[in-house]
Amino acid sequence: NAGVTQTPKFQVLKTGQSMTLQCAQDMNHEYMSWYRQDPGMGLRLIHYSVGAGITDQGEVPNGYNVSRSTTEDFPLRLLSAAPSQTSVYFCATNQLNRGEQYFGPGTRLTVT
Amino acid sequence: RKEVEQDPGPFNVPEGATVAFNCTYSNSASQSFFWYRQDCRKEPKLLMSVYSSGNEDGRFTAQLNRASQYISLLIRDSKLSDSATYLCAVNAGDNFNKFYFGSGTKLNVKP
Repeated sequence: NAGVTQTPKFQVLKTGQSMTLQCAQDMNHEYMSWYRQDPGMGLRLIHYSVGAGITDQGEVPNGYNVSRSTTEDFPLRLLSAAPSQTSVYFCATNQLNRGEQYFGPGTRLTVT
Repeated sequence: RKEVEQDPGPFNVPEGATVAFNCTYSNSASQSFFWYRQDCRKEPKLLMSVYSSGNEDGRFTAQLNRASQYISLLIRDSKLSDSATYLCAVNAGDNFNKFYFGSGTKLNVKP
């Protein structure tokens, strides 16, 4: 089992470009979430999903879109990249109502 | 006010020492608490859950103090391999599955 996978590992974008960060899991977990981690800020929740077709906003959703068409995949879209979106992005999954989260290896994004 | 706060450290301790970290949370309705370990440039990994009655796993002990709204992590007999950043996670009171993380406490264990 691969667990939680994320692609790409690294990405450099220019301001205004768009891209999609991929997250996939084979753990059959209902709940998936996206976090960003910045120095001194800890992990901040961007968007989350409790199942296919259901998504909701976290603490810092502006500039990001998500969709959940399958249990396995939860892509994060940056609509028009800004330097403030330079960060490390982690995808995480957990069973519904079981709080233990499992994280992917992260995507390091730089926006110039 | 932040939902979850931690002392960033670093805590520099010698091998064999006992070290403790606290994590305070603001929402008294929170019900679910965890400690994660994060190595440099890696993803967070679950270390242990924090139960109302406390939780012990080898050299690690986690406790919850609801009255003062904090959780703690105690590491006994520190090893060099314990050097990492320790993150606490607390769920939102109105959503069991939504979590807030602290910014982490860095631990350096020295020989």
